[in-house]
Amino acid sequence: NAGVTQTPKFQVLKTGQSMTLQCAQDMNHNSMYWYRQDPGMGLRLIYYSASEGTTDKGEVPNGYNVSRLNKREFSLRLESAAPSQTSVYFCASSEALRGAFFGQGTRLTVV
Amino acid sequence: AQSVTQLDSQVPVFEEAPVELRCNYSSSVSVYLFWYVQYPNQGLQLLLKYLSGSTLVESINGFEAEFNKSQTSFHLRKPSVHISDTAEYFCASSGTSGTYKYIFGTGTRLKVLA
Repeated sequence: NAGVTQTPKFQVLKTGQSMTLQCAQDMNHNSMYWYRQDPGMGLRLIYYSASEGTTDKGEVPNGYNVSRLNKREFSLRLESAAPSQTSVYFCASSEALRGAFFGQGTRLTVV
Repeated sequence: AQSVTQLDSQVPVFEEAPVELRCNYSSSVSVYLFWYVQYPNQGLQLLLKYLSGSTLVESINGFEAEFNKSQTSFHLRKPSVHISDTAEYFCASSGTSGTYKYIFGTGTRLKVLA
């Protein structure tokens, strides 16, 4: 079972460039999430989608947009990357009481 | 609003010694509580969870956590740690209805020394 798959695993962007992080899950979960992980700050929620067709802001949404393309896929877009967005990004999915299942992460560097 | 506090950023402990990783939560509503483990350069893996019922929950690799409502705590314990337990551990909470939005603590890095 693949679980939650994120692409790419690594990315280097120049300031001002745009990119989309892709996430897909094969567990038929309704809810999906995007987090960023920074040293000493734990995981902070960027956006989440409770079900197909809905998205909501989390703690740190500024500078990001999301699309819940279908039940399987939830993408995160940086329209104009900034050095402050250098981080490790994790996608997760969950269903009711099972807890969240995470992908392997995307390590993004903005120079 | 929910919040989760992990006061210890790093915990060094010798192999075969006991360990406790502390987690306190704050919420105006009922919550579910979780512990996750992250090994280097990997995603987070669910270690154990408290949903309801018995306040003591266990994982398959010897960790346990106790939900204490009066102290709003969910501390993680292991009676005897191994080198392979070296990792970062995150405590998280979610609401019990509607959208399950997971809020994480800042993590505790457990380093097991030989």
